[in-house]
Amino acid sequence: DQQVKQNSPSLSVQEGRISILNCDYTNSMFDYFLWYKKYPAEGPTFLISISSIKDKNEDGRFTVFLNKSAKHLSLHIVPSQPGDSAVYFCAAKDTGNQFYFGTGTSLTVIP
Amino acid sequence: EPEVTQTPSHQVTQMGQEVILRCVPISNHLYFYWYRQILGQKVEFLVSFYNNEISEKSEIFDDQFSVERPDGSNFTLKIRSTKLEDSAMYFCASTLMQGVDQPQHFGDGTRLSIL
Repeated sequence: DQQVKQNSPSLSVQEGRISILNCDYTNSMFDYFLWYKKYPAEGPTFLISISSIKDKNEDGRFTVFLNKSAKHLSLHIVPSQPGDSAVYFCAAKDTGNQFYFGTGTSLTVIP
Repeated sequence: EPEVTQTPSHQVTQMGQEVILRCVPISNHLYFYWYRQILGQKVEFLVSFYNNEISEKSEIFDDQFSVERPDGSNFTLKIRSTKLEDSAMYFCASTLMQGVDQPQHFGDGTRLSIL
């Protein structure tokens, strides 16, 4: 029962270009969505979030888009930098405060 | 910046033994969580804890597991009679409050290896 799905296990992007990471979910009751970044041997680090009442949230180079009708979430990183290379997890919270994570997308930014 | 700390970073235990994983959440946070990530799989919610009691738990969190906040700073996960399939990274997280716009802050995890 995978309520949050990241269908692309990996993504490679040239430095300076846009990285687009995608996430799909099945539970229409999710009210909060987050992106985490994870380096090896470290815990997930919060990156950016969006509540279900919004469709876009921007923080510097990072923008999260939410399409509730499609149950789709995306993270845009522009311009991409080599230091952005990491595993990115999409997560969603239900109204009961339980968080569900996707399987992650490994982003490689090529210098 | 305050952070969540977890000890030990790596725990090796014989199958059938009990193990206690320790976490020190961010000091003013009120909600605490445990997650696990089996190698190559997704991060899975185990349990949330607030006001000295479990507020939510997943199907994974069965009678083998228990959590405790023995003092004002530590938050522990105990696994009784460990099994091979308990081998995973275990992450502790905390939030100041519950609800929207409250991201969880994670520790770096404890790698549990059951032999």
